[in-house]
Amino acid sequence: GAGVSQTPSNKVTEKGKYVELRCDPISGHTALYWYRQSLGQGPEFLIYFQGTGAADDSGLPNDRFFAVRPEGSVSTLKIQRTERGDSAVYLCASSPPATSGANVLTFGAGSRLTVL
Amino acid sequence: AQSVAQPEDQVNVAEGNPLTVKCTYSVSGNPYLFWYVQYPNRGLQFLLKYITGDNLVKGSYGFEAEFNKSQTSFHLKKPSALVSDSALYFCAVRDAYYSGYSTLTFGKGTMLLVSP
Repeated sequence: GAGVSQTPSNKVTEKGKYVELRCDPISGHTALYWYRQSLGQGPEFLIYFQGTGAADDSGLPNDRFFAVRPEGSVSTLKIQRTERGDSAVYLCASSPPATSGANVLTFGAGSRLTVL
Repeated sequence: AQSVAQPEDQVNVAEGNPLTVKCTYSVSGNPYLFWYVQYPNRGLQFLLKYITGDNLVKGSYGFEAEFNKSQTSFHLKKPSALVSDSALYFCAVRDAYYSGYSTLTFGKGTMLLVSP
């Protein structure tokens, strides 16, 4: 597609529920990133995929968070047993193969998650 | 570990005046530096980057940034501000020591308000 698409744009859920957030990257971008942006903060790295595999998941805060990218394109971020502290905007970005640190990330508009 | 500091939460400037948004960084090796802008309910948009070469980098919408290695700074500048420049600005850094992937680390952001 023309840009990075994220769905849903807004999600309100109750504490303890399970949530899935979807990211559709730019066609041909093999690198995909998830970031989390809390109110008043900059984006914080969660996980990076190169193709189908998670090359770096060091930013996932705990084992309630998991992400997949089974066919090397669309990715889903999954959050189990949501907590109020999970409320944030979840940003997805994609880029050409991360063979150089000079690659520019293209971000989606984000999915705003609110846990009541 | 790499980090970015944006010392100002907010910068106020009158339309037509020059603007500066400050950024300092810390990396182990040489840096790749980026500026992104975020408008309300929109994703981050790339403005410009420094990889190597000329310390003055020109980017989108008339913005430029000056890389200063001795001061470890990468301040964003524009000679004449527009009301439409009002937005949240993020500085980000990668460590160029790694030939392939490395995490992009963001500052907490600076809100730029341009008054008519």
